[in-house]
Amino acid sequence: ELKVEQNPLFLSMQEGKNYTIYCNYSTTSDRLYWYRQDPGKSLESLFVLLSNGAVKQEGRLMASLDTKARLSTLHITAAVHDLSATYFCAVDPDSWGKLQFGAGTQVVVTP
Amino acid sequence: GAVVSQHPSRVICKSGTSVKIECRSLDFQATTMFWYRQFPKQSLMLMATSNEGSKATYEQGVEKDKFLINHASLTLSTLTVTSAHPEDSSFYICSASSAAGARLLHEQYFGPGTRLTVT
Repeated sequence: ELKVEQNPLFLSMQEGKNYTIYCNYSTTSDRLYWYRQDPGKSLESLFVLLSNGAVKQEGRLMASLDTKARLSTLHITAAVHDLSATYFCAVDPDSWGKLQFGAGTQVVVTP
Repeated sequence: GAVVSQHPSRVICKSGTSVKIECRSLDFQATTMFWYRQFPKQSLMLMATSNEGSKATYEQGVEKDKFLINHASLTLSTLTVTSAHPEDSSFYICSASSAAGARLLHEQYFGPGTRLTVT
């Protein structure tokens, strides 16, 4: 059974500091996704990582993928209040789009 | 990016009635659509995969007779919750993708979700 584990599940951030969210998965997958969800809303795509060693950056967010370690990280640089949301990673082990999501990391950024 | 819509965005129904939720891809042809369910404070769980012109495939534990899925065209999939009960109250989200050869293209596009409340 595929497991996708995120940690931490809750992250209280101080503005201006750096943080990392981890996503471990238990089976091989050459696709990993990061999404953001605001309360009451659907998912917003952040990153699609398609190969080992892939690194993508957008603004204060940077995601990386290590398929050998079955690990992806989402790094937040100099957190700001607007980044408060729940972040999900998801894997697509057979590349057919059947995403298996992690439990989500609720991020709260405070001054 | 591509746009996926859902209708309705919110629905309240009485226990025992049926509710239909529509998922449309507005600017691309979606060979495959997915239906997810999200309970409060939880993650998304895949319910079923819907391919245009064929029967949906359901994930383990999802009752196919209760959650009827129809994917009649390349732009529309519908999810009908039959004989709804309060435990079916949830946030239902669809996503849509296109195939290139035997594999899906890497991106799938999520709809805005439908919040179902069964009283």
